[in-house]
Amino acid sequence: GQQLNQSPQSMFIQEGEDVSMNCTSSSIFNTWLWYKQDPGEGPVLLIALYKAGELTSNGRLTAQFGITRKDSFLNISASIPSDVGIYFCAGPSDAGGTSYGKLTFGQGTILTVHP
Amino acid sequence: EPEVTQTPSHQVTQMGQEVILRCVPISNHLYFYWYRQILGQKVEFLVSFYNNEISEKSEIFDDQFSVERPDGSNFTLKIRSTKLEDSAMYFCASRLGTVRYEQYFGPGTRLTVT
Repeated sequence: GQQLNQSPQSMFIQEGEDVSMNCTSSSIFNTWLWYKQDPGEGPVLLIALYKAGELTSNGRLTAQFGITRKDSFLNISASIPSDVGIYFCAGPSDAGGTSYGKLTFGQGTILTVHP
Repeated sequence: EPEVTQTPSHQVTQMGQEVILRCVPISNHLYFYWYRQILGQKVEFLVSFYNNEISEKSEIFDDQFSVERPDGSNFTLKIRSTKLEDSAMYFCASRLGTVRYEQYFGPGTRLTVT
């Protein structure tokens, strides 16, 4: 099945630094979703991308849909302690053109922010 | 802002027992999903539900699992005879319609099978 690979696996940064992470796939995705998960909580949707090359912002977060449609990037500017968590990319798996929208998730990037 | 809710937040059960996990999706959404996340791992798809029937399921979703939408608001996941390896966080998610793929997740139910 389709797989999403995220890098880096983990990041340790100082408060105020910018963060960049990415997600790659061996197959094309037509939609990219970025989620954040706090410990013991459900994933919270951050950004949705629908078009190759699209750049979308949500506050200090900016995500891009790669031109090849096989990758996506998430940037966080001026990180703060509450940015701590696991960031997942996800995309809907299209099986032969019929998709009920099941999401394939990457393995996540763990972000730690030191004050 | 509308949100997906799940109950209970934590369920402890003995191996072989039946459990029912409950979810209330966002009210005008049409697609419903269950996912699970084993501790420290990624989120995995279990089943999707649309138009009052299962539309897709993963190989994890075997005969021990079932889903139901008994009324206009609840969406349940039943595990008939729990195994130790069913211990995980179970998330319900809902999606508005066919055009957009955003799914909104509930807070999860932590299932512990002893």
